Amino acid sequence: GESVGLHLPTLSVQEGDNSIINCAYSNSASDYFIWYKQESGKGPQFIIDIRSNMDKRQGQRVTVLLNKTVKHLSLQIAATQPGDSAVYFCAERRRNAGNMLTFGGGTRLMVKP
Amino acid sequence: GAGVSQSPSNKVTEKGKDVELRCDPISGHTALYWYRQSLGQGLEFLIYFQGNSAPDKSGLPSDRFSAERTGGSVSTLTIQRTQQEDSAVYLCASSSDPRGGKNIQYFGAGTRLSVL
Repeated sequence: GESVGLHLPTLSVQEGDNSIINCAYSNSASDYFIWYKQESGKGPQFIIDIRSNMDKRQGQRVTVLLNKTVKHLSLQIAATQPGDSAVYFCAERRRNAGNMLTFGGGTRLMVKP
Repeated sequence: GAGVSQSPSNKVTEKGKDVELRCDPISGHTALYWYRQSLGQGLEFLIYFQGNSAPDKSGLPSDRFSAERTGGSVSTLTIQRTQQEDSAVYLCASSSDPRGGKNIQYFGAGTRLSVL
């Protein structure tokens, strides 16, 4: 997949720092959320998911936070590495839309060595 | 194979020609999705197959686009009379039965279509 996004919001961080990528959603009927990572020339790769009955979930070096009050989702990457450089997409499943995922526009993460 | 496989990886065609893009989902996955990704954009849903149910075609942009899934496995996306605005990366994803609560979609690497 193409991840060169000339118009994507970009987050630039120093290697070793923590990264926080944010995503806003608008549908209060959304009950499930996923973060994907897309490297240049590849398809999106699953990172972590969270159901709406949770507000935090941790994986290896990644944490997803869900704030349903303000309809906000974030992905935190600890000790960011050059290999984390990619475009990150959040996706939501809307309860009234069957099993479809609706994807956000993406954020490009650039890690400076 | 272990993952979703798409072919060809690249396709260059002339305006007005028809193209077929192929997707081999992960074995045993009942759900299959097609998306389109234009340069610098997110993923645009095209069509969704779930088991033997009628596909959800609500995302197909025009009647030049169609897709089929044979035997509940391999899927082909066909674009007739291609136009330059069809140029994009076409991504396929599959998931196990999503009705159980989660819906982790696993993606192929995509087919980059260029219409000259």
